[in-house]
Amino acid sequence: DAGVIQSPRHEVTEMGQEVTLRCKPISGHNSLFWYRQTMMRGLELLIYFNNNVPIDDSGMPEDRFSAKMPNASFSTLKIQPSEPRDSAVYFCASSLFSRGLFLSYEQYFGPGTRLTVT
Amino acid sequence: RKEVEQDPGPFNVPEGATVAFNCTYSNSASQSFFWYRQDCRKEPKLLMSVYSSGNEDGRFTAQLNRASQYISLLIRDSKLSDSATYLCVTSMGTGFQKLVFGTGTRLLVSP
Repeated sequence: DAGVIQSPRHEVTEMGQEVTLRCKPISGHNSLFWYRQTMMRGLELLIYFNNNVPIDDSGMPEDRFSAKMPNASFSTLKIQPSEPRDSAVYFCASSLFSRGLFLSYEQYFGPGTRLTVT
Repeated sequence: RKEVEQDPGPFNVPEGATVAFNCTYSNSASQSFFWYRQDCRKEPKLLMSVYSSGNEDGRFTAQLNRASQYISLLIRDSKLSDSATYLCVTSMGTGFQKLVFGTGTRLLVSP
């Protein structure tokens, strides 16, 4: 079975450019999460969706970041304009959410997008 | 203060050794707890959930102390393949989907 798919795997861009990261969750999963990982701050949740609806975006660092989930099989994280401090690995994760099932809380991570902003 | 704190290590141990990692969390509203494993330049993967009564999965044992807000992971008979970073994780929020990660403890198992 295909896991979470992310593209691109690596992105190098110049400061001020727009960056779009893409994610395809595991088929059948109804929750999607965007994380950012840096050496200094570790893994941080940016935003998550249930059934394509944003539930909590309190981790989004600032207005330069935006995320969308137009359908159950696709999500984007956009940074505009990008800055060198945005350099990090961005992970997308998905899970099957059901209040009654503890096992629903397991999140499956994609391979990540390594972003470098120069 | 970070919500989830771990000793970053690295812990250098020989094969066959027993090693223990500890983690403390600050938010008493945390309801679910996990250990994730992350290999170098890879994505995190769930190692095991942590139950109040403690739980064991093969060579791995996890313990939770809610009163002290403390989680532990014990690895017995360490293998070379256990070398990785171990992330302590709590969850909160609606449906407890909001995972909060520690920065991880690095384990190096040597021959």
